[in-house]
Amino acid sequence: DTGVSQDPRHKITKRGQNVTFRCDPISEHNRLYWYRQTLGQGPEFLTYFQNEAQLEKSRLLSDRFSAERPKGSFSTLEIQRTEQGDSAMYLCASSPRRRGGDSEQYFGPGTRLTVT
Amino acid sequence: GIQVEQSPPDLILQEGANSTLRCNFSDSVNNLQWFHQNPWGQLINLFYIPSGTKQNGRLSATTVATERYSLLYISSSQTTDSGVYFCAVIDNYGQNFVFGPGTRLSVLP
Repeated sequence: DTGVSQDPRHKITKRGQNVTFRCDPISEHNRLYWYRQTLGQGPEFLTYFQNEAQLEKSRLLSDRFSAERPKGSFSTLEIQRTEQGDSAMYLCASSPRRRGGDSEQYFGPGTRLTVT
Repeated sequence: GIQVEQSPPDLILQEGANSTLRCNFSDSVNNLQWFHQNPWGQLINLFYIPSGTKQNGRLSATTVATERYSLLYISSSQTTDSGVYFCAVIDNYGQNFVFGPGTRLSVLP
């Protein structure tokens, strides 16, 4: 069990560019989550997948953001036309599905995005 | 949506001291986790504790779901305990975490 991995760990981009982040969940975890954390704040939910289906999206996820999870394994989060306000840590988490619904979430190391 | 409060917001301790961190939430929950965020930003799972009491070494946690609060106890604190402690909950209607604002702990040698 290698844990949740994210790539890249750091990304610096210029305003207006597109960026894509990848998350590899713990194997056999069928639920995958994306969160965003700005300096001094707790993480905020962005979106959630169960297998390949995107089941929930926060209003924080503007139309410049899109997430996919093809084949229900790894996931990508793309931000188009980045703005300075997108600068944040983007965190991915995964959890197994358990009878009764909910279970423990495990977080990756995050991707720190800086938009200049 | 559910609201999560944590107290105190900041805590400074001498090495060896004990501390209690509190998390209050505004509605029934079916998931509550405590995390430690290290200086590199990694969220480390401490406890999955929607109810009851658990202990892991110098750390223990108690959640009283009927009264909508959880406590994290740190005994004999060490400098490596420094960082931000987050409580996160999932209410009975959702699937995603709502995080509290965190408690920033500094343990001085």
